[in-house]
Amino acid sequence: DQQVKQNSPSLSVQEGRISILNCDYTNSMFDYFLWYKKYPAEGPTFLISISSIKDKNEDGRFTVFLNKSAKHLSLHIVPSQPGDSAVYFCAASGRGGSQGNLIFGKGTKLSVKP
Amino acid sequence: KAGVTQTPRYLIKTRGQQVTLSCSPISGHRSVSWYQQTPGQGLQFLFEYFSETQRNKGNFPGRFSGRQFSNSRSEMNVSTLELGDSALYLCASSPQQPGEQFFGPGTRLTVL
Repeated sequence: DQQVKQNSPSLSVQEGRISILNCDYTNSMFDYFLWYKKYPAEGPTFLISISSIKDKNEDGRFTVFLNKSAKHLSLHIVPSQPGDSAVYFCAASGRGGSQGNLIFGKGTKLSVKP
Repeated sequence: KAGVTQTPRYLIKTRGQQVTLSCSPISGHRSVSWYQQTPGQGLQFLFEYFSETQRNKGNFPGRFSGRQFSNSRSEMNVSTLELGDSALYLCASSPQQPGEQFFGPGTRLTVL
């Protein structure tokens, strides 16, 4: 049973436009959400995170939105650049002790076309 | 600061053998977590160590084990390898406080 779902395995966007990557979760105990970017043959690289007490967090071209009632978060990349082409993973961690256990979605492959 | 390092980067083993993978966390990070990435299952949590103690464990068989040393370096061991153990094994470290985890480049294990 997947607790973190990324329903779009791939997304193609034109350079300069907005990329929107979506993620849904089922466990209401999750209180911290993260986005990672991964290139082939490399480990995931942290992009941006959001605590459950917030509904938006922005860092440069990257903005994460959290809708707790819908158990949904999204990552917006504006403007998209060809170097953003990678697999993006949504991850969540729960409260109550250890947060060393991240639950990952299966990823969305973003292709930004010049 | 140096990032998370993992050795070896690539490994080829045959069924039935055992393997040990090593991870050196970022200096000052006391939490080390291990993940398995496969095309079908994505990134799955194996276990987490903090101050030499296993703090959390994922849903993997007992053939998968790990440990952490006093300098926070960690090893994971897989015994009696199966073909399905072929995967990218990722190590991540984080500071004591909850937050993002920093991943190493991974060890690509191929079981023949």
